[in-house]
Amino acid sequence: DIQMTQSPSSLSASVGDRVTITCRASQGISDNLAWFQQKPGKAPKPLIYAASKLQGGVPSKFIGSGSGTDFTLTISSLQPEDFATYYCQQYNTFPRTFGQGTKLEIK
Amino acid sequence: QVQLVQSGAEVKKPGSSVKVSCQAFGGTLSSYTLSWVRQAPGQGLEWMGRIIPYLGVTDYPETFQGRISITAERSTSTTSMELSSLRSDDTAVYFCAHGYRFGPDLDSWGQGTLVIVSS
Repeated sequence: DIQMTQSPSSLSASVGDRVTITCRASQGISDNLAWFQQKPGKAPKPLIYAASKLQGGVPSKFIGSGSGTDFTLTISSLQPEDFATYYCQQYNTFPRTFGQGTKLEIK
Repeated sequence: QVQLVQSGAEVKKPGSSVKVSCQAFGGTLSSYTLSWVRQAPGQGLEWMGRIIPYLGVTDYPETFQGRISITAERSTSTTSMELSSLRSDDTAVYFCAHGYRFGPDLDSWGQGTLVIVSS
């Protein structure tokens, strides 16, 4: 199975900050990577697919990049609604696997 | 965009089975995939498997092989996930998600179904 490792596991930031979350795959997955945002008690919300393509309705403050094994999600100008848990997920091979999540908290 | 509506919460005894359903509105299952993902309390996301409804083809991770069955009823755009031999650590919220056969396969999500396994 492909292991997806996110870092950091948690992150404190202030409104207006820019943050970056990284996701590393244990083997190459091309650009077959998605990012999700999840708030407590809610289903994950797709943000990005194909490593860098925004899902419909997702603001351009979310930027995904990377290919192969190393990926990043950058969120600029943090707003209160951005504080949530973020997951990466590879859909290159079966079984699909997720990173362990990065909890973004308000400082 | 497809909207997915899942069945309601369940409380089950250890050793029993649970079947959770997911109905698609505003689209069909005919050329897409339907996956299941679960999340134990306070934990991350775990992929449980998927079906390509128009082919009837399923993929399951080894961790669930022999214990899970995902089926699809094309006439009602409904897919179901049945998990057997339930244990307390199967207590989780179970999500269905709609996606693409050759592409992102978790593109639209259901609201989640809480399954509690307790004696």
